[in-house]
Amino acid sequence: DTAVSQTPKYLVTQMGNDKSIKCEQNLGHDTMYWYKQDSKKFLKIMFSYNNKELIINETVPNRFSPKSPDKAHLNLHINSLELGDSAVYFCASSQDSGGGSTDTQYFGPGTRLTVL
Amino acid sequence: SQKIEQNSEALNIQEGKTATLTCNYTNYSPAYLQWYRQDPGRGPVFLLLIRENEKEKRKERLKVTFDTTLKQSLFHITASQPADSATYLCALASSSASKIIFGSGTRLSIRP
Repeated sequence: DTAVSQTPKYLVTQMGNDKSIKCEQNLGHDTMYWYKQDSKKFLKIMFSYNNKELIINETVPNRFSPKSPDKAHLNLHINSLELGDSAVYFCASSQDSGGGSTDTQYFGPGTRLTVL
Repeated sequence: SQKIEQNSEALNIQEGKTATLTCNYTNYSPAYLQWYRQDPGRGPVFLLLIRENEKEKRKERLKVTFDTTLKQSLFHITASQPADSATYLCALASSSASKIIFGSGTRLSIRP
């Protein structure tokens, strides 16, 4: 009965490859997010979706493309991976039905991406 | 530019004492502030939310204060236990913003 789940937990890949991370929430929330946490532990928002609609798109390289097939899923696809993409990526969700992103965030366990 | 600072990267205290963590912000008018706990290898977990018109909020051994004049929030854990050891993150959101901004966290260690 995991609330927010993401797969895989670990991802090790070569520079230049394309990879995807999947996220699912069973909380019935309207909004989902992707965050990146770097080695200094800063947690920065990348994207948010409300009911499958893109709400926030921070200054993230367009190699990163989120996809939301339905409001319970938000996947992250990364093209042409670079060394600097190595980080922990967290998926999160919130109840926020107004399209904003200020409600309590429920985080997944994280995906540690290592680009070699 | 908007900035959030948590007082120290690491804090070590003796079991049983009160741990006090600080979150300061500049160039920001938050409608509310949240505190999260993050254990190694896990995602952050929500602890408490305090709104701009509230001075203090409590939950069991946790207490949060919010001073919009000083632009500061204090997070207290009373009667601290080794199990309280974790990284604690503060997060701000304004009524006009569509996102939450997180601080870099304070790693708290409670020694027996």
